[in-house]
Amino acid sequence: DQQVKQNSPSLSVQEGRISILNCDYTNSMFDYFLWYKKYPAEGPTFLISISSIKDKNEDGRFTVFLNKSAKHLSLHIVPSQPGDSAVYFCAARYGGATNKLIFGTGTLLAVQP
Amino acid sequence: ETGVTQTPRHLVMGMTNKKSLKCEQHLGHNAMYWYKQSAKKPLELMFVYSLEERVENNSVPSRFSPECPNSSHLFLHLHTLQPEDSALYLCASSPVGGYGDSPLHFGNGTRLTVT
Repeated sequence: DQQVKQNSPSLSVQEGRISILNCDYTNSMFDYFLWYKKYPAEGPTFLISISSIKDKNEDGRFTVFLNKSAKHLSLHIVPSQPGDSAVYFCAARYGGATNKLIFGTGTLLAVQP
Repeated sequence: ETGVTQTPRHLVMGMTNKKSLKCEQHLGHNAMYWYKQSAKKPLELMFVYSLEERVENNSVPSRFSPECPNSSHLFLHLHTLQPEDSALYLCASSPVGGYGDSPLHFGNGTRLTVT
């Protein structure tokens, strides 16, 4: 059973508007949640993270919101740019000495000029 | 060279072949990981090495054999693979320790096709 779920395989947004990518999880033991971005023919690159004790983290155009009671997090990109077009993976981490990340299936974001 | 480098970028092999994937990191990290990405599936963790010791083996078939000779290098030895093993194999590294987010840094992957 998937512990981290991204239910939208794709999302299309106009340039300058807000992109909202969603992620749900089932395990209350995760201590960090991370978002990765992946372009074709490249490996995933780290984008932003949030601790399980916070409800919001912001870095420039990217903001991640965490709702622990709903076991839901979202990534907001404002304003969206064509260069943001990529696959976005949500990941959750078990605490401990190793960074064991559980990934979702990804959401393909297309930002239309 | 910086970051995480994987070679080869593409590999086609028959089911009876033996090949190896190589990963090298120049970030001073001491934990390394193998992930597998198949079409329409999440990235699946295969192996974790922490301080050159294998600490995780996620029920991976024995036809995949990892090796970590030092904290900068990681190999995945492949033998008698099946066509369903065709996938993108990603190597990653991170610092050891559970403090802070310590994100994984990924290489660009090896696209493996088993014929």
